[in-house]
Amino acid sequence: ETGVTQTPRHLVMGMTNKKSLKCEQHLGHNAMYWYKQSAKKPLELMFVYSLEERVENNSVPSRFSPECPNSSHLFLHLHTLQPEDSALYLCASSPGLAGVYEQYFGPGTRLTVT
Amino acid sequence: SQQGEEDPQALSIQEGENATMNCSYKTSINNLQWYRQNSGRGLVHLILIRSNEREKHSGRLRVTLDTSKKSSSLLITASRAADTASYFCATDAASSSGYALNFGKGTSLLVTP
Repeated sequence: ETGVTQTPRHLVMGMTNKKSLKCEQHLGHNAMYWYKQSAKKPLELMFVYSLEERVENNSVPSRFSPECPNSSHLFLHLHTLQPEDSALYLCASSPGLAGVYEQYFGPGTRLTVT
Repeated sequence: SQQGEEDPQALSIQEGENATMNCSYKTSINNLQWYRQNSGRGLVHLILIRSNEREKHSGRLRVTLDTSKKSSSLLITASRAADTASYFCATDAASSSGYALNFGKGTSLLVTP
């Protein structure tokens, strides 16, 4: 397993619920990312944080709200989701903010919206 | 936007055979990376090749990069059942800040005993 953990691993929520996904990295990295992985689609970058500052918001609907309280923790707050938001949500971290760095991924949260 | 595109979408081979996967991309890059994903799990980094490199090896993995054709290949030699996974290439666009990796849809590899 990598040094990136995600909780919960599985989540089922109704469209009116509010829930949060948590990501923690133990690698001392400065950059953290949220990705969405849907079946038969490329991995979609959602948010990028560098030193707790958001540097990328890839046209993600406002029902997804990220939070990065420190460089080790990243949250994704979810509210009033749609069934098409069902997917595997992956968190990743990297030493720095550049494509020259490999990204370390967590195991993901499998989200089902009913 | 999607940058890398893997080919084939699915590949089935027997243990001991070699597996070759290809990746094509559209714009100039600084670096290209390959990742592996076991079913329903996170991605694991395999290898990074820079735009000024043509070939790189890591154990049973061999990656080539042809910037003139905007393509890369990943070769897994003497495959094992444990190599069964999806394989993704990821590129960073040279024209942007370079930190956003663009992933393809991946090649699903099945290695049968």
